[in-house]
Amino acid sequence: GAVVSQHPSWVICKSGTSVKIECRSLDFQATTMFWYRQFPKQSLMLMATSNEGSKATYEQGVEKDKFLINHASLTLSTLTVTSAHPEDSSFYICSARTPGDGSYEQYFGPGTRLTVT
Amino acid sequence: LAKTTQPISMDSYEGQEVNITCSHNNIATNDYITWYQQFPSQGPRFIIQGYKTKVTNEVASLFIPADRKSSTLSLPRVSLSDTAVYYCLVGDVYSGNTPLVFGKGTRLSVIA
Repeated sequence: GAVVSQHPSWVICKSGTSVKIECRSLDFQATTMFWYRQFPKQSLMLMATSNEGSKATYEQGVEKDKFLINHASLTLSTLTVTSAHPEDSSFYICSARTPGDGSYEQYFGPGTRLTVT
Repeated sequence: LAKTTQPISMDSYEGQEVNITCSHNNIATNDYITWYQQFPSQGPRFIIQGYKTKVTNEVASLFIPADRKSSTLSLPRVSLSDTAVYYCLVGDVYSGNTPLVFGKGTRLSVIA
């Protein structure tokens, strides 16, 4: 199947700083990528839908000025957590869709563990 | 977006068949049913997808009744490595912009 990578796999940052997480589709072009956040023992929560060349669509309750999403190419989307606080510590997972035989298959990255101290 | 309901957790012994049922009463005509597996600190991994009746691949089977209001993921002869969280999702797989929305999932624990 298609491969989605994320970088870094884990990051520790100090409160008030910004962190950028990259999501790449390695062997396919993804016009749409999705960003999820997952807290311990909880399910994945959709944060935003990222479309190449346009502004991201954020889910209700997700601060677009805090979680900056850029989808500059068909293989790369980035999530920047600005002015991070300890409550932003979480597991961030990106996902991309690739067209199969008429339908879209959704593949997930390995996730990025963010710890804000 | 159709919501799903699954058991929170299940236990099974190694070698047994495990069936996880998911309810999706409000499934739409264009929605497919997809199951994902997630290990701790990893992204979800696709297991199987179907629209109706039965689908089988090398790792699982998916049973969908005629009314499509529920589905059952069947894992044959589970091993310890199948301990994970299993998510049932419904959505229009022909729409590239429609995200998959996760429910709470079922935490499967396989015991030796």
